[in-house]
Amino acid sequence: DAKTTQPNSMESNEEEPVHLPCNHSTISGTDYIHWYRQLPSQGPEYVIHGLTSNVNNRMASLAIAEDRKSSTLILHRATLRDAAVYYCIDNTDKLIFGTGTRLQVFP
Amino acid sequence: EPEVTQTPSHQVTQMGQEVILRCVPISNHLYFYWYRQILGQKVEFLVSFYNNEISEKSEIFDDQFSVERPDGSNFTLKIRSTKLEDSAMYFCASSETRTGLTEAFFGQGTRLTVV
Repeated sequence: DAKTTQPNSMESNEEEPVHLPCNHSTISGTDYIHWYRQLPSQGPEYVIHGLTSNVNNRMASLAIAEDRKSSTLILHRATLRDAAVYYCIDNTDKLIFGTGTRLQVFP
Repeated sequence: EPEVTQTPSHQVTQMGQEVILRCVPISNHLYFYWYRQILGQKVEFLVSFYNNEISEKSEIFDDQFSVERPDGSNFTLKIRSTKLEDSAMYFCASSETRTGLTEAFFGQGTRLTVV
């Protein structure tokens, strides 16, 4: 089973920032934190991953707590196309998906 | 951008029949995976494959399931005798290294319907 905890759902308005939290209190010292998302009727899609430092890419930013027990995925300006289920995974050698956070974006 | 391709997109089969789901991973990737998602439920890990052998498998991946990399490009999932409860979306994924270190790329999935 997934070892991370995420809220079941969140809502945002278009063009507003979204902060998606995740608790991974049992993460080991060498495991990366990965975020994937699943758009409706599509396969999972990689978003971002990090170990200790905050990370940025073209899709999002990842803020990792100093104790690594939690992280936050940041979408700087949500669009309607960002409506998806977002999964936080404290990964080992395989991706174990939990139930994720369903993000709704309103125009 | 490179992508993982899966065929067919939709397969309907009768209970008890064998099905083979096909995947073409990204060409320089070395790690391959199959996942399934029953309608309305979470994505479940089935099996990982590296260096021509299974690295890890879940409890779901019983003797009815098998995987193969028959040539340098394809990666297949075979279900020997399908059951109604095998109806699901099946996703193939590949990664350059272990997914702990890098991103995995997923295909668009094959919807398997067992009737």
